[in-house]
Amino acid sequence: DAGITQSPRHKVTETGTPVTLRCHQTENHRYMYWYRQDPGHGLRLIHYSYGVKDTDKGEVSDGYSVSRSKTEDFLLTLESATSSQTSVYFCAIRGDSAYEQYFGPGTRLTVT
Amino acid sequence: DAKTTQPPSMDCAEGRAANLPCNHSTISGNEYVYWYRQIHSQGPQYIIHGLKNNETNEMASLIITEDRKSSTLILPHATLRDTAVYYCIVRSVGGGADGLTFGKGTHLIIQP
Repeated sequence: DAGITQSPRHKVTETGTPVTLRCHQTENHRYMYWYRQDPGHGLRLIHYSYGVKDTDKGEVSDGYSVSRSKTEDFLLTLESATSSQTSVYFCAIRGDSAYEQYFGPGTRLTVT
Repeated sequence: DAKTTQPPSMDCAEGRAANLPCNHSTISGNEYVYWYRQIHSQGPQYIIHGLKNNETNEMASLIITEDRKSSTLILPHATLRDTAVYYCIVRSVGGGADGLTFGKGTHLIIQP
């Protein structure tokens, strides 16, 4: 257990509304990641962070922004949610021994 | 990252050892073999990793062939809770995003 929590765990929102998902870790890991998982596409990297205020884009970053103002929290924001952003979102941290990743429980987001 | 090939599904009786194969014939010298699993509706879970030596932890054993072109994940005494999709990933370690990409994996079903 890498001490990762995600909130909310489930959310239903309407098209065009802003949404923020939170990832919280308790073990001071430097690297944090946001992924989305969809049937037929597997796991895809949205954004990642390599330290406080240090973030970069992943494979599917369009329509998403992130912020990391302190080590333990990594926020994912959908500025204006669309139905194509209906997905399960996973946060992860990178371990220190061999770059393995530990995942949170996920947030199921539905955009209607 | 080197490509991996896994059988799409396997069955195993509860209490028996589950042996999950993975082929990675194009692996290069600095690439590690990682195994993850994903139980239905949960986040992916790191299991084990190795470079060229066999490895064992509290969850599983990893056997890597001498030429490193294939490996086997062994769950020594499978339980119903081990039913999941298992992913074999080959990748080098280093700086940067290190975002994970899961293939289709092996759906392991533990039979009572």
